[in-house]
Amino acid sequence: QSVLTQPPSASGTPGQRVTISCSGSSSNIGSNFVYWYQQLPGTAPKLLMYRSNQRPSGVPDRFSGSKSGTSASLAISGLRSEDEADYYCAAWDDSLSGWVFGGGTKLTVL
Amino acid sequence: EVQLVESGGGLVQPGRSLRLSCAASGFTFDDSAMHWVRQAPGKGLEWVSGISYNSGTIGYADSVKGRFTISRDNAKNSLYLQMNSLRAEDTAFYYCAKVEAREYNFGSDYWGQGTLVTVSS
Repeated sequence: QSVLTQPPSASGTPGQRVTISCSGSSSNIGSNFVYWYQQLPGTAPKLLMYRSNQRPSGVPDRFSGSKSGTSASLAISGLRSEDEADYYCAAWDDSLSGWVFGGGTKLTVL
Repeated sequence: EVQLVESGGGLVQPGRSLRLSCAASGFTFDDSAMHWVRQAPGKGLEWVSGISYNSGTIGYADSVKGRFTISRDNAKNSLYLQMNSLRAEDTAFYYCAKVEAREYNFGSDYWGQGTLVTVSS
């Protein structure tokens, strides 16, 4: 059971907008930054969003992040086949003094 | 270009030890905290340990506390994970990850390709 809660799966058709949620608590998302990672099949995770809503250079602006209270979300607009991957949220947890991850969301592009 | 190359994984019997290494290049190693993160085959990500830029602060997940030791050698641009008393549930890909700040309570911005540790008799 992961400390951060994500839906196990999400899907959309090319061109659609998809949102992936990440729910936590006051000790993690509620008081710290959220990071999002994309993991393509058979590869290492790649940073998609840092400090809740900052996009690293090279990440398309189709990806956006937001945070409100103890929840965060990753939005992908103009969905493309290459977006099919696992997506993970992560945050520092003050109570655990460690990093916690969501269980991951498998995104399927139909 | 940031590069992180893990090594030292392999098959090990329960109760034995293993030492992982991570060779870093392409960034100022002694200006970044580092993480070890693992992923059991087919499962999600789990943070294992973190170390600040100067080894001043170190942290572990409860699942490995007292068995694993993280360290770094800034002169050699290298990160290490000494794993003792290994258990079957430690079987996973172990990723070395660069942190985007000096302290490890910030997130990772680059990850290595991982090294597989299999604990089995």
